[in-house]
Amino acid sequence: GEDVEQSLFLSVREGDSSVINCTYTDSSSTYLYWYKQEPGAGLQLLTYIFSNMDMKQDQRLTVLLNKKDKHLSLRIADTQTGDSAIYFCAERGNTPLVFGKGTRLSVIA
Amino acid sequence: NAGVTQTPKFQVLKTGQSMTLQCAQDMNHNSMYWYRQDPGMGLRLIYYSASEGTTDKGEVPNGYNVSRLNKREFSLRLESAAPSQTSVYFCASSEKGQGTKRSNEQFFGPGTRLTVL
Repeated sequence: GEDVEQSLFLSVREGDSSVINCTYTDSSSTYLYWYKQEPGAGLQLLTYIFSNMDMKQDQRLTVLLNKKDKHLSLRIADTQTGDSAIYFCAERGNTPLVFGKGTRLSVIA
Repeated sequence: NAGVTQTPKFQVLKTGQSMTLQCAQDMNHNSMYWYRQDPGMGLRLIYYSASEGTTDKGEVPNGYNVSRLNKREFSLRLESAAPSQTSVYFCASSEKGQGTKRSNEQFFGPGTRLTVL
């Protein structure tokens, strides 16, 4: 079945860029998503990319998609302490969304 | 718009007790979902309802039942709670189910934190 893999932890200094990586297995994925979960809260959609795109930029966020390698990344420029959260990659193919296990981003002041 | 609401926010049960988690959305979405979130396991789909009147099993349906009461409401029932069902439960909704070309993002509720002793 479909699978989405992410590294579990990332630690960066405030002001640096963060890059969170994700790999997926379903080659029929149409959309790929990044969600953010702050402590004690539900998931909130950050951004998404359609599978025929290579890149999408939205303010401090840049999403890169390498469809050949089935690799998705989220870059957060000028990372702030408020960006500390768990980030989930998700893909939509022929079934409801499949989520990765989440990457916990810690921002050191 | 309240978005997706869930009740209760917290619940403690004893093994063998039953309870129903409630979820409602006011966005006129067709599809609704129940997930559980466990440390190191990410989000796992329990059941979903692609449209009013239909429900389907997800990845981890055992020990749960669901009811799509109407377009707005989708409840999750634990008939005989077990400690392995201690988790955080999230309800989500999206405009449409599969087969759509739109982004069809899911909107999540704040979660129910359930402990089974």
